[in-house]
Amino acid sequence: EPEVTQTPSHQVTQMGQEVILRCVPISNHLYFYWYRQILGQKVEFLVSFYNNEISEKSEIFDDQFSVERPDGSNFTLKIRSTKLEDSAMYFCASSPRTSRYEQFFGPGTRLTVL
Amino acid sequence: AQSVTQPDIHITVSEGASLELRCNYSYGATPYLFWYVQSPGQGLQLLLKYFSGDTLVQGIKGFEAEFKRSQSSFNLRKPSVHWSDAAEYFCAVGAAGNNRKLIWGLGTSLAVNP
Repeated sequence: EPEVTQTPSHQVTQMGQEVILRCVPISNHLYFYWYRQILGQKVEFLVSFYNNEISEKSEIFDDQFSVERPDGSNFTLKIRSTKLEDSAMYFCASSPRTSRYEQFFGPGTRLTVL
Repeated sequence: AQSVTQPDIHITVSEGASLELRCNYSYGATPYLFWYVQSPGQGLQLLLKYFSGDTLVQGIKGFEAEFKRSQSSFNLRKPSVHWSDAAEYFCAVGAAGNNRKLIWGLGTSLAVNP
């Protein structure tokens, strides 16, 4: 069964460093998302991506964040200058055009900013 | 604004007992509702979804949920809990618009006693 994959599973970085979180969505899916979950808090929407452009972003997704689909398979989230408060679990999700709202999630990347 | 409330942060049940996890939502139109489960170290797995039609929906692992518009609820149930059901359970609503982002509850942590 196809699944969303994410790498790395855990990333530790120093404050101010750039990180890139990688995701490989399910191959025939068209919509892509990033969510994050700070420990003990709700899962929060960050950004949605369709047709090679951002379709919506939350207020969390400021200029420090960017997303890219550099080729036909990968979907990346970049944080330019990490802050302590960026420490969270980051989930990538994808959904097909034919199944409205049904999002398939990856296992997540735990980002720890020191 | 759309929101999801899961009133119970933590629930403990005995194996074999029945289970009901509560979810209330705030949404102006007919909602798209979901329950996801997250086992330790795992990603978010879709248990079931409600889009329209029959208000009692069946999901994987023996779970079901009932949509009650009058109560703005979408409670998750299972008649007999197994030890492997111990996990974090999240209710989510699909937001309006084409971006399809999910709005999440805080989650309910389920512990199962042998």
